[in-house]
Amino acid sequence: KAGVTQTPRYLIKTRGQQVTLSCSPISGHRSVSWYQQTPGQGLQFLFEYFSETQRNKGNFPGRFSGRQFSNSRSEMNVSTLELGDSALYLCASSLKEGTNTEAFFGQGTRLTVV
Amino acid sequence: AQSVTQPDIHITVSEGASLELRCNYSYGATPYLFWYVQSPGQGLQLLLKYFSGDTLVQGIKGFEAEFKRSQSSFNLRKPSVHWSDAAEYFCAGRDFIDYKLSFGAGTTVTVRA
Repeated sequence: KAGVTQTPRYLIKTRGQQVTLSCSPISGHRSVSWYQQTPGQGLQFLFEYFSETQRNKGNFPGRFSGRQFSNSRSEMNVSTLELGDSALYLCASSLKEGTNTEAFFGQGTRLTVV
Repeated sequence: AQSVTQPDIHITVSEGASLELRCNYSYGATPYLFWYVQSPGQGLQLLLKYFSGDTLVQGIKGFEAEFKRSQSSFNLRKPSVHWSDAAEYFCAGRDFIDYKLSFGAGTTVTVRA
C-alpha cells in the first residue's frame, strides 16, 4: 500500500508569490491534516480536512488555505509569501476522524522563500 | 490547554546503551498518545501508540513506551540503541474536543560510538 505522497519535495519561491502544495493520502484514508515545521516553532497544526470539509484550523493567517477533493487528495495554498513561511510542510492522513486514529505522515515539502 | 511536553531537548547516548525519552501530558481524560521519529529532512514515522488497555506498549524498531497515569507520563524506551537510532523524536497527543494532534518540541538523540 502506498504511503502519503507529497509533491513537490522541494520548492523555492520569491517573497510575494503564492504556492500550492499537494498531498495524496493513503488509499482509503479520508482525513488529511497539514503541519508546518520550523526550527524555532516546531510542529504547528495548520488545518484538517475530512470528507472535503475543513474540520479544524490552527492559528495561521488567512494567507494559508487548503482544500480537499472528493478523492481525499488535498492541497494547501500560501499566498503573498513571506520569508518566515520557509519551512517543512508535512501532510498526514488518517483513516477517519476521532481520537483513536493514527496519523501517517508524508516526507514533506521543503519550501524556501527568498 | 491540552498538550504534551518533552522536557529534554537533546540527549546523547552511547551505542549499545539504554535510552529513555520523557513525555508528559496534560489532558483531562485518558489521552491517546503517540511517539514519532524523524530523520533529517524526512517526514515523521509512527513508532507506537497508546489508546487504552495495557500500559506498556510495544512499537517498531525495538521501542516501547509506558503510560503512567499517576505521573502523567508516556516515556519512550529502548534497551540498546543502535547508531541508526540517531534522530529527532516527538511525543504527540490527540485532543478530545477537536481531535487535533499536538506535538511536543521534540528530543534530538545523538548516538556516539
